[in-house]
Amino acid sequence: GAVVSQHPSRVICKSGTSVKIECRSLDFQATTMFWYRQFPKQSLMLMATSNEGSKATYEQGVEKDKFLINHASLTLSTLTVTSAHPEDSSFYICSARSGVNYGYTFGSGTRLTVV
Amino acid sequence: QKEVEQNSGPLSVPEGAIASLNCTYSDRGSQSFFWYRQYSGKSPELIMSIYSNGDKEDGRFTAQLNKASQYVSLLIRDSQPSDSATYLCAVYVSGGYNKLIFGAGTRLAVHP
Repeated sequence: GAVVSQHPSRVICKSGTSVKIECRSLDFQATTMFWYRQFPKQSLMLMATSNEGSKATYEQGVEKDKFLINHASLTLSTLTVTSAHPEDSSFYICSARSGVNYGYTFGSGTRLTVV
Repeated sequence: QKEVEQNSGPLSVPEGAIASLNCTYSDRGSQSFFWYRQYSGKSPELIMSIYSNGDKEDGRFTAQLNKASQYVSLLIRDSQPSDSATYLCAVYVSGGYNKLIFGAGTRLAVHP
């Protein structure tokens, strides 16, 4: 089946630094990938839609200059959290649509802690 | 704003019982519906998808869809402690949105 690989699984960074998260579709091509954020005991909130070869589409309230998304190939999308602050600490999950039935396959997630 | 509503729970059921999870959605035009299971600290995994009115069965899981009532449910038969997780209802919204909208999830606890 479709597999989405996400790295790193866990990262701790200092406040003010930047962190890059990678999301790869391993056995299929994904022209579109999605980035979600999940705070403890809350649901997944869509941050942005990543489109191969074009600019990402950000959801309302998500700062595009803070959360940089690059989708340079059909199998790789990256999310860079710039100038991270403790309030950015969260569980970040990428996903891709792997079939015609619109079912999404999720990466394993990245637990970001900003200290 | 397109919405998906779920009771947050926790829903507590004894081992071997049927767990019933419910979800309502606001976009009447939605055609694709999904149930995901999420264990604590893990990412969601797809367990069921349903597109037509009626029931769809897969092992111990049955998804039910009623588009007229804008209602989706998931039944888990013979519940096991390993089924204890948060169950997320998701609705694919098209017509310019083209995104999967998640409910807040229902936490299920199956006790021995």
